[in-house]
Amino acid sequence: DAKTTQPPSMDCAEGRAANLPCNHSTISGNEYVYWYRQIHSQGPQYIIHGLKNNETNEMASLIITEDRKSSTLILPHATLRDTAVYYCIVWTYGQNFVFGPGTRLSVLP
Amino acid sequence: SQTIHQWPATLVQPVGSPLSLECTVEGTSNPNLYWYRQAAGRGLQLLFYSVGIGQISSEVPQNLSASRPQDRQFILSSKKLLLSDSGFYLCAYQGIVSYEQYFGPGTRLTVT
Repeated sequence: DAKTTQPPSMDCAEGRAANLPCNHSTISGNEYVYWYRQIHSQGPQYIIHGLKNNETNEMASLIITEDRKSSTLILPHATLRDTAVYYCIVWTYGQNFVFGPGTRLSVLP
Repeated sequence: SQTIHQWPATLVQPVGSPLSLECTVEGTSNPNLYWYRQAAGRGLQLLFYSVGIGQISSEVPQNLSASRPQDRQFILSSKKLLLSDSGFYLCAYQGIVSYEQYFGPGTRLTVT
């Protein structure tokens, strides 16, 4: 079973920041938070991951709360091509990734 | 750089027919490899994973099997397809630095 809870769907206006929340209240100290997205009819795409510090790359930023019980993926300037299902996954070495239902993000023109 | 290939891209097969889907990875050695299935409108289900040649772990008992005859080749098979085997089949390999998974383009299987 997935160890994360995400809203089933969200809308975002094109050009605005998309903030996707994820709850992982039972996360263990050695578990990372990974984010993937799946654009329709394609395989999932890795976005970013983190342990406890905030992370940023060319695609997104990951903000993890101090108690690590929740996180937010931020797409700073959403475009129509960012419309996808976003998966938040808690993972540690030796485990397999478990993909839950994710959040369906619709970027609106 | 690493790349992952899957074929065929689409497949329509009758019930009871055999299946063979192939996945190959380039640019990395001894990767962990994975087969997932995604039924229409559903999430990803892990079917099999492999940490090396000839080493297969099954996550879900069903009429599918997997084999890894070469380091960078992963094959998904069935002797007799069921209607419930329809779906989007995805192969993935795991990165060796940050352990993230990279997915292939997928095979869309329709069993009729």
